[in-house]
Amino acid sequence: KAGVTQTPRYLIKTRGQQVTLSCSPISGHRSVSWYQQTPGQGLQFLFEYFSETQRNKGNFPGRFSGRQFSNSRSEMNVSTLELGDSALYLCASSPNLQGAEGANVLTFGAGSRLTVL
Amino acid sequence: SQQGEEDPQALSIQEGENATMNCSYKTSINNLQWYRQNSGRGLVHLILIRSNEREKHSGRLRVTLDTSKKSSSLLITASRAADTASYFCATDALSNYGQNFVFGPGTRLSVLP
Repeated sequence: KAGVTQTPRYLIKTRGQQVTLSCSPISGHRSVSWYQQTPGQGLQFLFEYFSETQRNKGNFPGRFSGRQFSNSRSEMNVSTLELGDSALYLCASSPNLQGAEGANVLTFGAGSRLTVL
Repeated sequence: SQQGEEDPQALSIQEGENATMNCSYKTSINNLQWYRQNSGRGLVHLILIRSNEREKHSGRLRVTLDTSKKSSSLLITASRAADTASYFCATDALSNYGQNFVFGPGTRLSVLP
């Protein structure tokens, strides 16, 4: 079973640009979550998608957005990049089936490391 | 604000020793999970303990949960150099609106050969 795939793995952008990150979840997983990880703030929840609907959103500005496609693949977009957006962006998927064993266990991708100059 | 808080922030031990990490949280939870992260990579799930469980074992891992104190501990027995990593607790708050896991700041474990 293939794991969670994130692309690109590394990217460098300059302030003011925008970036799109992609995540392919494990086949059959319907929930996809995104997290931002920085040395200062740790792991911060960005948003969660389920069946193409955003169910939860963390405390991030509107420059951070995402979407999920019918095949459960997800993208997140950050517009007007700031230096503070430099981080490791992690995507995680889970089956999220009520009552199922392991339903809420997250499987993470390797992350996309974004550097904003 | 982060719900989970681990301590210690960093821990250095010799191979063969046991490592104990603690996690505290603030609100009611469905379950608590522990994850491991090797440097700069994604997190790997280690173990999940439900709110109605008090202790759980998986191989060399032992997790306890005290919901009255809103705390959990992760014990790694007979540690190995390969256990060197950061360890995070994660809680999912009771919610009817999907998943929102809150991760603690993590404990960085170094196991010296």
